[in-house]
Amino acid sequence: GAVVSQHPSRVICKSGTSVKIECRSLDFQATTMFWYRQFPKQSLMLMATSNEGSKATYEQGVEKDKFLINHASLTLSTLTVTSAHPEDSSFYICSAGEGTGVGETQYFGPGTRLLVL
Amino acid sequence: GDSVTQMEGPVTLSEEAFLTINCTYTATGYPSLFWYVQYPGEGLQLLLKATKADDKGSNKGFEATYRKETTSFHLEKGSVQVSDSAVYFCALDGGYQKVTFGTGTKLQVIP
Repeated sequence: GAVVSQHPSRVICKSGTSVKIECRSLDFQATTMFWYRQFPKQSLMLMATSNEGSKATYEQGVEKDKFLINHASLTLSTLTVTSAHPEDSSFYICSAGEGTGVGETQYFGPGTRLLVL
Repeated sequence: GDSVTQMEGPVTLSEEAFLTINCTYTATGYPSLFWYVQYPGEGLQLLLKATKADDKGSNKGFEATYRKETTSFHLEKGSVQVSDSAVYFCALDGGYQKVTFGTGTKLQVIP
C-alpha cells in the first residue's frame, strides 16, 4: 500500500515556541491530506483538512491561527503549532488518500508525539 | 452527524481465544467502513475495510461484515495471538474522505 511519512516522530519544546510537523506522501500524490490529534487513551479527532494550493478547512473548535496548515505541493503538508503550550502536548497524525472517491483508503502517517514543557 | 460506537475495553483474552469487538455506526447515506489497528507507540494501520452492504473485509485472520440492517461492522478473529495486542479502531468514511473514528478498544492477549 501507499506510504505516508511524518517528521519528526517526536519533539520536545519549550512553552511559547513554534513547532512544525511535516507529512509526506512518499509514492503517490495527494490533493487532500488530513490532520488528526489523539489524546492519551482516546480516539483520533479530525483537526483540519489540508487542500493543495488552497486554504485548509478547520473543524469546529480548532484555532486556525494556532494550528497553521500549509499544503504547498501534492506530496507535502505541514502543520505548525504556534506558541505552543503544555495543553498542546499530544499525538498528531496525518493521513492522505490516493483518490477522492468515497471509500478510498486513507493511509496514515506514523504520528508525531509533541511534548511542550 | 456521523458517529461510531465501539465496545469499551480493555479486552483481555488468552492466546487462541475467539475475539469479537462490536462496532455500530450512525451515518447518512452509504458510508464505507474500516477497522484500523494501532500498535503501542505507532500510527494507525488499515486492517480491513468494506465499502457496501454485505461486503466482508478480511485480513490477517480478522473479518468484519458490513451489516446495513443492524448498522454494524463487528470485528472477529477465530484465534488471537499475543502479537494481536493493540488498540483497534472502528471508523467510517461518509464521503470526501473525512473519517470518523470510534473511541478504540484495547486488546490484550496473554500467553
